[in-house]
Amino acid sequence: EVQLVESGGGLAQPGGSLRLSCAASGFSFSTYEMNWVRQAPGKGLEWVSYIASDGITVYYRDSVRGRFTISRDNAKNSLYLQMNSLRAEDTAVYYCARSWQKYDYWGQGTLVTVSS
Amino acid sequence: EIVMTQSPATLSVSPGERATLSCRASQTVSSNLAWYQQKPGQAPRLLIYAASTRATGIPARFSGSGSETEFTLTISNLQSADFAVYYCQQYYNWPRTFGQGTKLEIK
Repeated sequence: EVQLVESGGGLAQPGGSLRLSCAASGFSFSTYEMNWVRQAPGKGLEWVSYIASDGITVYYRDSVRGRFTISRDNAKNSLYLQMNSLRAEDTAVYYCARSWQKYDYWGQGTLVTVSS
Repeated sequence: EIVMTQSPATLSVSPGERATLSCRASQTVSSNLAWYQQKPGQAPRLLIYAASTRATGIPARFSGSGSETEFTLTISNLQSADFAVYYCQQYYNWPRTFGQGTKLEIK
């Protein structure tokens, strides 16, 4: 069974940092592309970042580029999102999602709240 | 950036009837279009990809159609479990973008 379990969310101050993790199991993690997708409270879905299976190619949405860094450790079956210079508008549930173009499996999400 | 526009924002339908949800792209996405269902407090679930292919385990009541810029998700014989929010998403180019969602509610 495919499982994606996010962790690392919580309360951060504006300008602060958090590191999200996503532990994957039940599939060959190293062969899949992975993504982070977020959802602000009461709002829709917003793609944040992508990483290729080998970790070399990465993409970010404009609003997080230069502040967020996506990475993966295929030996540990884990995906990460380092979030720096956090802003109030980054407040959201962050989901990791497996992809082969479409997002076929999602984790349950971890809540990030940016507030003073 | 490709803008995805869903209509209507809210759709009220009775159980057992058919619901038709629309999604329009601001430029062509070919058939690189997926539909997701999301219930309160849950992660999204993939329903349809490549515009018309049902994902694993999705019942035949769910069907997708369209190409280029106009897409439709049809849900036949609505069940109580189908009342949720539905999102379309393009994976034709970057950034990947979602529609704002259609809330399907019980009439």
